[in-house]
Amino acid sequence: DAEITQSPRHKITETGRQVTLACHQTWNHNNMFWYRQDLGHGLRLIHYSYGVQDTNKGEVSDGYSVSRSNTEDLPLTLESAASSQTSVYFCASSEGRGPSTDTQYFGPGTRLTVL
Amino acid sequence: GDSVTQMEGPVTLSEEAFLTINCTYTATGYPSLFWYVQYPGEGLQLLLKATKADDKGSNKGFEATYRKETTSFHLEKGSVQVSDSAVYFCAHPTSGTYKYIFGTGTRLKVLA
Repeated sequence: DAEITQSPRHKITETGRQVTLACHQTWNHNNMFWYRQDLGHGLRLIHYSYGVQDTNKGEVSDGYSVSRSNTEDLPLTLESAASSQTSVYFCASSEGRGPSTDTQYFGPGTRLTVL
Repeated sequence: GDSVTQMEGPVTLSEEAFLTINCTYTATGYPSLFWYVQYPGEGLQLLLKATKADDKGSNKGFEATYRKETTSFHLEKGSVQVSDSAVYFCAHPTSGTYKYIFGTGTRLKVLA
């Protein structure tokens, strides 16, 4: 079955370290998204991509970067981890057939702790 | 701008009680509307969706009707179970894009 996976599921790192979270989907979806989920803030969009070599900033992109070199993967990199980036991170993908109707499918999440 | 407003939680119900979780939205045009469910320790799963006005989405006993007149998409279930305990999110795409706006989520706790 097609799916979307994230790794690692849990990560503890130290302030200042570079961290990369992986996201892999096997649906051949054009669109991929990264969100963070924090108490009191719901889900906030970090970065998104509408296809290979396309990346865009979301509402909370500072300190994060992504690259899309193939359809299946959108890794999220924290250039220099900060305690404020302790959160649960979700990756999602959607087919990209048409705006306003596309359905997003979510991965299981990565819990990141920055000490 | 576009927005989604959900009722504050947590909502605590006894098993077999009737559930309503309110969701109202602001949007340009008539985007699809979605309800997602998040069980403890898991990602969001699509629960149901409606693609146009007066559509009713349904799944696992849950229903929601796309009400253009009241800009609402309230989630209902006639008889909740303990296994329905989760956080529920209402969402819609922003106008002309693939990006979603999410409500803040409503936590439901069902007691046996």
